[in-house]
Amino acid sequence: KAGVTQTPRYLIKTRGQQVTLSCSPISGHRSVSWYQQTPGQGLQFLFEYFSETQRNKGNFPGRFSGRQFSNSRSEMNVSTLELGDSALYLCASSLVWGGTDTQYFGPGTRLTVL
Amino acid sequence: QQQVKQSPQSLIVQKGGISIINCAYENTAFDYFPWYQQFPGKGPALLIAIRPDVSEKKEGRFTISFNKSAKQFSLHIMDSQPGDSATYFCAAATQGGSEKLVFGKGTKLTVNP
Repeated sequence: KAGVTQTPRYLIKTRGQQVTLSCSPISGHRSVSWYQQTPGQGLQFLFEYFSETQRNKGNFPGRFSGRQFSNSRSEMNVSTLELGDSALYLCASSLVWGGTDTQYFGPGTRLTVL
Repeated sequence: QQQVKQSPQSLIVQKGGISIINCAYENTAFDYFPWYQQFPGKGPALLIAIRPDVSEKKEGRFTISFNKSAKQFSLHIMDSQPGDSATYFCAAATQGGSEKLVFGKGTKLTVNP
C-alpha cells in the first residue's frame, strides 16, 4: 500500500506570494492533519480534516487555510507569504477520526520563502 | 505554553548503550502518548505508543515507561545502534474528538560506532 504522498517536495517562493500544497492520504484513510515543522518551534498542529470538514484548527493566522476533497485528498494554502513561513509542512493521514488512530506522516513539502 | 516538554535536546551514546529520552506533560486529559522517529529528509514515523492504563510497553529494543502521577513518560532504547541515529519526538493526544498531536521539541540522538 502506498504511503502518504505530498507534492511538491520542494518549493521556493517570495514574500507576498501564495502557495498551495497537496496531500494524498493512504488509500482508505479518511482523516488528514497538517503540521508545520521548524527548527525553533518544532512540530506544530495546523488543522485536521475529516469528511471534507475542518474538525480542529491550530493557533495559526488566517493566512493558513486548507480543504479536503471527497476522495480525502487535502490541500493547504498559505497566502501573503512571510519569511517566517519557511518550514517543512507535513501531512498525516489516519483511518478514522477522533480515536487517536495511528497517524502516518508523508515526507513533507519544504517551503522556502525569500 | 509548551504542553509537552522533552529532554535532552541532543544525546550521544556509544553503540550497545542505552538511550533514554524523557518527556513531561501538563494536560491531564492526554490519554495517548506516541513516540515518533524522524530521519533527515523524511516525515516522522510512529515508533511505539502507550496509553495511561499501563506503566510500561516494550517492542523489541524500544520501551516506553509511563508515570501517570508524575505526568512523565520516557523512551528507552536498549542496545543502541548507529542506525538508531535520528531525531525522536514524544507526543500526546486526547482520545475522542481530535487527531491533534502535541509534540515535544525533539531529541537528536547520535549513536557512535
